[in-house]
Amino acid sequence: KNEVEQSPQNLTAQEGEFITINCSYSVGISALHWLQQHPGGGIVSLFMLSSGKKKHGRLIATINIQEKHSSLHITASHPRDSAVYICAVKVKGGGGADGLTFGKGTHLIIQP
Amino acid sequence: DGGITQSPKYLFRKEGQNVTLSCEQNLNHDAMYWYRQDPGQGLRLIYYSQIVNDFQKGDIAEGYSVSREKKESFPLTVTSAQKNPTAFYLCASSLGWALAADIQYFGAGTRLSVL
Repeated sequence: KNEVEQSPQNLTAQEGEFITINCSYSVGISALHWLQQHPGGGIVSLFMLSSGKKKHGRLIATINIQEKHSSLHITASHPRDSAVYICAVKVKGGGGADGLTFGKGTHLIIQP
Repeated sequence: DGGITQSPKYLFRKEGQNVTLSCEQNLNHDAMYWYRQDPGQGLRLIYYSQIVNDFQKGDIAEGYSVSREKKESFPLTVTSAQKNPTAFYLCASSLGWALAADIQYFGAGTRLSVL
């Protein structure tokens, strides 16, 4: 079983809709990352959070440490938001700079 | 502008050939990482380096080798021992290893295919 599970795998919505992408994990973590991967493959880090909530523009990320769950929300979605959104965690006790553990991603398509 | 540069963008490997993927960063980051992405799967860690002249195996290191002779550079060699090298390879870096968690910055990736 993957340590990081995302849902849904695929999501198609109309422009302007409120989008929610979920991430659940089964291990203790020191931080959770939300990443955005564009069709060309490049990855951009959107958020890193270890508690509470962060907001950047139309993007909001929340995390509930007790429930081992995080959500990424997009308000007033736009076709340019179409991308793969990836949840990744830094496992607690994993040692110095060893890498992140990734979910498989959510493929989001926003139709005009 | 600071960032991570991966080259080439596309790479083709012949049977039995070793190929090297380049990753350079000018962010003055201590830690660097190599990930592999296959369709329908999450990224998986190949190798990571916490500091110059040091590197550690990740989850799928077999068939790969790395070096970290300079802080800015972390090249990945895909050897002939890697039987299924076709994938998208991403390099990343983060500020330090002493922090429990740190933002990772990613390169644009290299797509490797076998001829």
